Amino acid sequence: QTVVTQEPSFSVSPGGTVTLTCGLSSDSVSVSYYPTWYRQTPGQAPRTLIYSTNTRSPGVPDRFSGSILGNKAALTITGAQADDEADYYCVLCMGSGVCVFGGGTKLTVL
Amino acid sequence: EVQLVESGGGLVKPGGSLRLSCVASGFTFSTYTMTWVRQAPGKGLEWVSSISSPSTHIYYADSVKGRFTISRDNAKNSLYLQMNSLRGEDTAVYFCAREVRKGWFDPWGQGTLVTVSS
Repeated sequence: QTVVTQEPSFSVSPGGTVTLTCGLSSDSVSVSYYPTWYRQTPGQAPRTLIYSTNTRSPGVPDRFSGSILGNKAALTITGAQADDEADYYCVLCMGSGVCVFGGGTKLTVL
Repeated sequence: EVQLVESGGGLVKPGGSLRLSCVASGFTFSTYTMTWVRQAPGKGLEWVSSISSPSTHIYYADSVKGRFTISRDNAKNSLYLQMNSLRGEDTAVYFCAREVRKGWFDPWGQGTLVTVSS
């Protein structure tokens, strides 16, 4: 069974930079898995931040960037703001056609 | 405006069945793969199933394979999820979403809550 791993929680200071990661239990993450990042606040549907590893979704500020770091996908947020406090999810899509979400990272800005 | 509206959620007993619907508007439904994603109360997102158009390629998460069936009716701009043999762990908000590209689901509907309990 494929498991996608994310840090359960992370904190960042206002104005600071944070990098969240997205790993695979059984392989290195590459662009072939089409890493995509979502942000979700309570009671809302997820919003796309980054798709296909490093492409920002329309309207997403350039404070958000995606990459491959080592064997994981990464989401970097620079100049963190109070309203960046949310749950962040990555999803990886396998060659089999199945996609798997990570468990999510709860980001606190304080 | 691109919009997805789910319906069909509710309370069902373990072992029961439910059919979710998702009506799309504002885009050419027949040209997109569609997806169901669920979120148990207080938990993370779980990809459930996707269906291409035409319905040539259908995929399921292991957790629902053999119990859930995804389908679509392009003439009605509608996506469906037939859920059988429901279990407590199927309790979740079910979202439908358009797959713009692999892994890129946008937009999402508002979700419909399915509660499996006796």
